[in-house]
Amino acid sequence: KAGVTQTPRYLIKTRGQQVTLSCSPISGHRSVSWYQQTPGQGLQFLFEYFSETQRNKGNFPGRFSGRQFSNSRSEMNVSTLELGDSALYLCASSFGTPYNEQFFGPGTRLTVL
Amino acid sequence: AQSVTQLGSHVSVSEGALVLLRCNYSSSVPPYLFWYVQYPNQGLQLLLKYTSAATLVKGINGFEAEFKKSETSFHLTKPSAHMRDAAEYFCAVSDNRGSTLGRLYFGRGTQLTVWP
Repeated sequence: KAGVTQTPRYLIKTRGQQVTLSCSPISGHRSVSWYQQTPGQGLQFLFEYFSETQRNKGNFPGRFSGRQFSNSRSEMNVSTLELGDSALYLCASSFGTPYNEQFFGPGTRLTVL
Repeated sequence: AQSVTQLGSHVSVSEGALVLLRCNYSSSVPPYLFWYVQYPNQGLQLLLKYTSAATLVKGINGFEAEFKKSETSFHLTKPSAHMRDAAEYFCAVSDNRGSTLGRLYFGRGTQLTVWP
């Protein structure tokens, strides 16, 4: 079956702009999680959505937001971009229980100039 | 909160040698543990997971890991390294607490280099 897809794969933005990233989970998965990966901070949890509800949120400023649609597809938005937002943003989907593994997409590489 | 410590940010082995990547976790409740691998410019791929069944878990590509509750460890091993194993490896933990549902806590990763 098809894996997790993320679009776009690469993005270049300038400071102050906003960006929307998209994630399509594996069919049947109701949970979508987002992670930010940087060389300095490693993998950091942004938020998780389950059946259109945000169940959990990491320690990121309010500029980072997300949502999930009825078909489980998810988007995350970053407003007023800062240089430090440059990172690989990974989306993962699962059935939503802690013992179910999360399946990761290839990521969106965001560069902020 | 959960935490994961991966000892050694870089590990180098010769092809055919034993691979040992270390992971220690902290958790106040029974954890679920995972090892993921990341190749350059790709997402994370699951190698194996522990979910309170057998303490010795076998995964893909010849990797296995042993859950040791007394040592709070979940080290990853492979008897014989191959060049294609060169990648970054991440240990992760989750638990059953409502406050952390859907969240994986990751270690900082271990970069494995395999010499010919």
